[in-house]
Formats: sequence, structure tokens, C-alpha cells
Amino acid sequence: DGGITQSPKYLFRKEGQNVTLSCEQNLNHDAMYWYRQDPGQGLRLIYYSQIVNDFQKGDIAEGYSVSREKKESFPLTVTSAQKNPTAFYLCASSTSWGQFADTQYFGPGTRLTVL
Amino acid sequence: GENVEQHPSTLSVQEGDSAVIKCTYSDSASNYFPWYKQELGKGPQLIIDIRSNVGEKKDQRIAVTLNKTAKHFSLHITETQPEDSAVYFCAATRNSGYSTLTFGKGTMLLVSP
Repeated sequence: DGGITQSPKYLFRKEGQNVTLSCEQNLNHDAMYWYRQDPGQGLRLIYYSQIVNDFQKGDIAEGYSVSREKKESFPLTVTSAQKNPTAFYLCASSTSWGQFADTQYFGPGTRLTVL
Repeated sequence: GENVEQHPSTLSVQEGDSAVIKCTYSDSASNYFPWYKQELGKGPQLIIDIRSNVGEKKDQRIAVTLNKTAKHFSLHITETQPEDSAVYFCAATRNSGYSTLTFGKGTMLLVSP
């Protein structure tokens, strides 16, 4: 089945620890995205990548880092510098980027809780 | 940057009634407007989208209308069913040269049997 997978579904972190959230897609999409969702806040863009080995900061990149070494993978690291990391994290991908937007397809999400 | 306002934040209807959710956007260069449905604990699912060269699009019980002059677009769901209960998000592209989206804050739709 084609789609986007995120792991783990639930993640618990102690304060001061870095954690990495996995996102994999087998849709052959060029563009990938990370969003953060908090209650009543909608989805806010953390990072996005249009092509392998290239990525840009979104609206709330502070305290996060990403890599794009493979087309199908776009892991997100939540660092200890992120002051309020407890949230629902969503990964998405789309076929194209540039001037003409294309549909973004979302994964099932990872719920991160800081203990 | 782009700002997307979505109303209402909650909407309760009886089964069989129609539901309308409205969004406004600020960037006149926005050219793509998707709507997503999100069930509790799951990722958003695209239900319908519209591009700026079209005024209306319909898919069975769901329709979207776009008014570029007023910079607003709306989701219409007819003959609502309990399984339509979910959170709905609108979004609009940004004028950044890349296909990033700005999302509204969501509408929780509750359809009572």
C-alpha cells in the first residue's frame, strides 16, 4: 500500500532529551513537510523540503532540526531547546513544489509528551 | 504573511441538515484552497480542494465555493450524517514561491442523530 508512515505513534520524553520522529513515504513525492498541532491552534509549519539534501524553516523552526538524505525519508528531531514540545506532530508529502501547489497527504501523526 | 481565519469554531447540526464552514484569507496571490477532515487522534484527510481559476467544485454531498474578490471560500456539506462529525480545516497557499499552506484553526462539527 502506498502512503505515509510515522513512528512511533506515542513518544514520551524527559526534559533535556532530544528525540527523533520518523516519517517515511512510498508515494515517490518530492516535497515533504512537518507540522505541529496544538489544541485550538490548527497546524503550524515547522520545516519543509522540496528535494533531497535541501530544506527550509517554517514558522516555528526554533528547537527543531531535520534532514533529507533520502527522497522517502524526512526525520524530525525535537531538541532540548524546544521549550514546549508536548504536541501532536504531523508529517505530509506532495508531488510537486514551486508556484503550482499540489495536494498534501498526511501521515497518522506522532503524539509527543514531555514528562 | 498569509493569514487564514475560519468560522465557526464549533458547529452542531441535526442529521440531515446542511453545514457551512467559512474561511477568509489575506494573500491575494493564493491560488489553491484545500479542505481537510480530521478524526480524533488521526492525520487530516483531504476531502475537497479548489484552485483560483474555479468558482465552485462539488463532490457528492460536499461542495466548496471560492470568491476571489472577497478573498473567502466556504465548505458546504449537505444531508449530514453522524460520521461527518470531525474537525475540519481550511488552508490556503502562501505567496512564497513554494507550495506551503497556511491553515485555519479548525471547526469541530458535531452531527446529532
